[in-house]
Amino acid sequence: QQQVKQSPQSLIVQKGGISIINCAYENTAFDYFPWYQQFPGKGPALLIAIRPDVSEKKEGRFTISFNKSAKQFSLHIMDSQPGDSATYFCAASKGSGGSNYKLTFGKGTLLTVNP
Amino acid sequence: GAVVSQHPSWVICKSGTSVKIECRSLDFQATTMFWYRQFPKKSLMLMATSNEGSKATYEQGVEKDKFLINHASLTLSTLTVTSAHPEDSSFYICSAPGQGRSYGYTFGSGTRLTVV
Repeated sequence: QQQVKQSPQSLIVQKGGISIINCAYENTAFDYFPWYQQFPGKGPALLIAIRPDVSEKKEGRFTISFNKSAKQFSLHIMDSQPGDSATYFCAASKGSGGSNYKLTFGKGTLLTVNP
Repeated sequence: GAVVSQHPSWVICKSGTSVKIECRSLDFQATTMFWYRQFPKKSLMLMATSNEGSKATYEQGVEKDKFLINHASLTLSTLTVTSAHPEDSSFYICSAPGQGRSYGYTFGSGTRLTVV
């Protein structure tokens, strides 16, 4: 049973456009929702994360929107650049950091930003 | 910030041999290390969780005798792929809960294992 559903599987955006990736979760015990960016041959790198006590978090061009009642969260990349072309994973866990709870990952979205 | 150093970044080995992958937490103590396996164009699949000084916990379907995990110190966890076969070829990644932004999980850079 997939606990975190991610869509779309792939996304093509023009430079300067907005990239939107969506995730839905099932386990209401989740309370930490990070997004990771992964380039080919590299490990995932944390982009931005949110907890359910806020509905939005913004860091630079990256914004997480969180809808607790719908159990959905999304990543918005503003002014998308070719350098943003990578695979993006949403994830969820019951805690974070030192809590040692394991992450549940979405299946990933391959983003291509055309110049 | 928290850094997990993973080595080697890639390795090619002959079928039947064993390969060791190391993950070190450079500036923090990692009492727990998660080990993932990733197939091309797929998501990360959790293989096992290692805890310093105790036996690792393996996910269902992961052969503990094939993938030996040791977490002998607070800064070092190792994954040994024993008697490797071509089907073990994959991208292996470690991750530690730690002191990154938002107290997130810090990932190693991954190891590309190719068994020939």
